[in-house]
Amino acid sequence: KNQVEQSPQSLIILEGKNCTLQCNYTVSPFSNLRWYKQDTGRGPVSLTIMTFSENTKSNGRYTATLDADTKQSSLHITASQLSDSASYICVVEAGNNRKLIWGLGTSLAVNP
Amino acid sequence: EPEVTQTPSHQVTQMGQEVILRCVPISNHLYFYWYRQILGQKVEFLVSFYNNEISEKSEIFDDQFSVERPDGSNFTLKIRSTKLEDSAMYFCASSQRTSGGREQYFGPGTRLTVT
Repeated sequence: KNQVEQSPQSLIILEGKNCTLQCNYTVSPFSNLRWYKQDTGRGPVSLTIMTFSENTKSNGRYTATLDADTKQSSLHITASQLSDSASYICVVEAGNNRKLIWGLGTSLAVNP
Repeated sequence: EPEVTQTPSHQVTQMGQEVILRCVPISNHLYFYWYRQILGQKVEFLVSFYNNEISEKSEIFDDQFSVERPDGSNFTLKIRSTKLEDSAMYFCASSQRTSGGREQYFGPGTRLTVT
């Protein structure tokens, strides 16, 4: 069954600190993996889209990694800011039917 | 920067009533989607729409749901007879092309509360 699992479920860090969020997936065949940021009560906003051949991709202070062999991805946030407080959702697109398989997300709180 | 807009931001309705959720996708996008997110749960795909017809729908999208693109700009989701379990955030999204790595742009959502 195609699934996306994320950890931790929630995370609290101090402003300025780094953190890493994890995503494991069992989607097959694989097309691409996306990380979205979702502020409370808002729609998801795309951070990165990674295909099979990409191991790492950065978007400002956000760096995503992908290990297609182990079917794992991580999202690293550097020098966190209060505005980084949000849910971060890992989404994998299946290669056969183009369906997006959504994770539950990691809820990140950045405290001053 | 172009963005997807949705109205209303919050809709309260009584069980059994019909609701129409409205979306204005980004103007040069060709693919349109509806998703929903029940509080505390994963985002769920409802339906995709291309060339004035449904291209794909999930098992959630049963006969009580319908979508329409009544003019060149609006994209609507109608729920004919709402149930308590329809209470959720409904997100519209659009993309230039179908997935395959193409980015989907999401609207801010409509919070539907069925009482």
